Amino acid sequence: EVQLVESGGGFVQPGGSLRLSCTVSGITFSAYEFNWVRQAPGKGLEWISYISSSDSTIYYADSVKGRFTISRDNAKNSLYLQMNSLRVEDTAVYYCARTMWSYYGMDVWGQGTTVTVSS
Amino acid sequence: DVVMTQSPLSLPVTLGQPASISCRSSQSLVHSDGNTYLTWFHQRPGQSPRRLIYRVSKRDSGVPDRFSGSGSGADFTLKISRVEAEDVGVYYCMQGTHWPPYTFGQGTKLEIK
Repeated sequence: EVQLVESGGGFVQPGGSLRLSCTVSGITFSAYEFNWVRQAPGKGLEWISYISSSDSTIYYADSVKGRFTISRDNAKNSLYLQMNSLRVEDTAVYYCARTMWSYYGMDVWGQGTTVTVSS
Repeated sequence: DVVMTQSPLSLPVTLGQPASISCRSSQSLVHSDGNTYLTWFHQRPGQSPRRLIYRVSKRDSGVPDRFSGSGSGADFTLKISRVEAEDVGVYYCMQGTHWPPYTFGQGTKLEIK
């Protein structure tokens, strides 16, 4: 069974940093592409970042470009999201999600980790 | 970026009755390869999203056949033939044709009357 487990969320002041992790099991991690998708409280889904299987291709949403960095460690079956210069509007549940074929979107999702940015 | 617009945003449905959700995109989702990359997700309260349908009409493994997707160009529909209690939650459409970025609709909240 494929499992994606996020961690690293928490409470941080505006301007602060957090690093989210997503540990993947049940699949050959290095063969797959992954995304981070977030959901602000009571709001819809917002895609924020993508990384290819070999991390040769990376994309970001404009809302996080220059502040967030996606990365992966295939030896550790892990995906990361380094979040710097956090803003109140970054408050959300952050999901990691697998992609098997990029045009089809995300087929397996983690349970999410909550990030709260507040003074 | 492609804007995805869903309607209705709220959908009260009686158990056993059909339901239909519309999703329209600000531009055609027909890719240069001839395929149309429109995906539907379902998010139950307090849960992560689950993909139901990809490429307009292809159901994911384990998705009941009461769910069907249809449409073309910039106009798409998710239909539930007979709503069951487990179908409550929010449904999102998402386009992959013109990614990045992936863009989602605002969501349609289905509830039981």
